[in-house]
Amino acid sequence: EVQLVESGGGLAKPGGSLRLSCAASGFTFKSAYMTWVRQAPGKGLQWVGHIKSKGHGGTADYAAAVKGRFTISRDDSKNTLYLQLNSLKAEDTAVYYCTREYFWYFDFWGRGTLVTVSS
Amino acid sequence: QSVLTQPPSVSGAPGQRVTISCTGSSSNIGAGYDVHWYQQLPGTAPKLLIHTSSNRPSGVPDRFSGSKSGTSASLAITGLQAEDEADYYCQSYDSSLSGSVFGGGTKLTVL
Repeated sequence: EVQLVESGGGLAKPGGSLRLSCAASGFTFKSAYMTWVRQAPGKGLQWVGHIKSKGHGGTADYAAAVKGRFTISRDDSKNTLYLQLNSLKAEDTAVYYCTREYFWYFDFWGRGTLVTVSS
Repeated sequence: QSVLTQPPSVSGAPGQRVTISCTGSSSNIGAGYDVHWYQQLPGTAPKLLIHTSSNRPSGVPDRFSGSKSGTSASLAITGLQAEDEADYYCQSYDSSLSGSVFGGGTKLTVL
């Protein structure tokens, strides 16, 4: 059974940082593209970015709203995906979901972790 | 303003058929990129409902179907049930943005 479990959310100040983690199990993590999607309170879904498998270069792409501030990385030895959030803004407040990506769609989702940016 | 446009809400009585539209442009749906649909029940994470425009993952009832034409796509739900009350999102790839894009979401109310 595929499981994705996010952690690391919480309260951060504007300009601050947080690191989210996503522990994956039930599939061959090292072969998977992985994606972060966020949802602001009461709002719709927003693609944050993804990271390719190392076999396909291991590079990451980002949405314009987070490029230069957020970094996606992976540790295939730990089956874990990361999202480093820097220079946080109030508009980054959202539930952050970890998803497995398959040909640009997202077939499994975690339950999400809430990030609140407030002074 | 979402790149993909969905109606904010639709409604229907139990047993009826409803459709949810998703309108894009020449850089996403119109460019031939597939459309995918997700269902988000209240207080839960989204779940893949339809992928590659018209394919249902295992476990999704055949009451749900998807189609695509030109720069638009549609999700149809037949035999509406109370448990279908949820938010529905379409998603595709956009070549101008070089990333995935979602519709703004449609809230389905079962009357």
